[in-house]
Amino acid sequence: NAGVTQTPKFQVLKTGQSMTLQCAQDMNHNSMYWYRQDPGMGLRLIYYSASEGTTDKGEVPNGYNVSRLNKREFSLRLESAAPSQTSVYFCASLGTLSTGELFFGEGSRLTVL
Amino acid sequence: GDSVTQMEGPVTLSEEAFLTINCTYTATGYPSLFWYVQYPGEGLQLLLKATKADDKGSNKGFEATYRKETTSFHLEKGSVQVSDSAVYFCALNSGNTPLVFGKGTRLSVIA
Repeated sequence: NAGVTQTPKFQVLKTGQSMTLQCAQDMNHNSMYWYRQDPGMGLRLIYYSASEGTTDKGEVPNGYNVSRLNKREFSLRLESAAPSQTSVYFCASLGTLSTGELFFGEGSRLTVL
Repeated sequence: GDSVTQMEGPVTLSEEAFLTINCTYTATGYPSLFWYVQYPGEGLQLLLKATKADDKGSNKGFEATYRKETTSFHLEKGSVQVSDSAVYFCALNSGNTPLVFGKGTRLSVIA
């Protein structure tokens, strides 16, 4: 009963390095999301994918790219990491549009030096 | 646009105390309202929800009532436990748009 799985759980990068955060869900959900969580800022939406083959910008998309590889997987890429991208990243999938319930992964803690 | 405002924390309570975390919202139409909880080191999980005015959501002793007239969805619990220590997020959904979250309220319960 995996739900939403994110990898890696922890990562340290140097400024300018690139990396991809992976997310997969096994609940056959259409919509998937990437959030970042920073102290005092709550959760901010980076990108989302309403369905396979579509992606849209959220509140804070600059410096990120996403790929909806298939219905299960939604990856987040940092092409040139900056210290301002130090954060905890959460992937989520939407149960049903009518209830609006999101299912979250456990998070990926990224530190950019 | 849609927004959620919740009381700033941290909130520190003694075990068995009464808890209220205020949440108000601004939205077009008739949103669904949610409370999510985040335990240390974990992702968020749904605590309770209400989909229309005057609905009461409840779970694990927590309750919240959807008040359209005051655009509020305050979270309450009659007797908190140490295990309730977590961050609580109020959120709303207005149909086809992504969920909008408040900034979260950290609750610490001391024995």
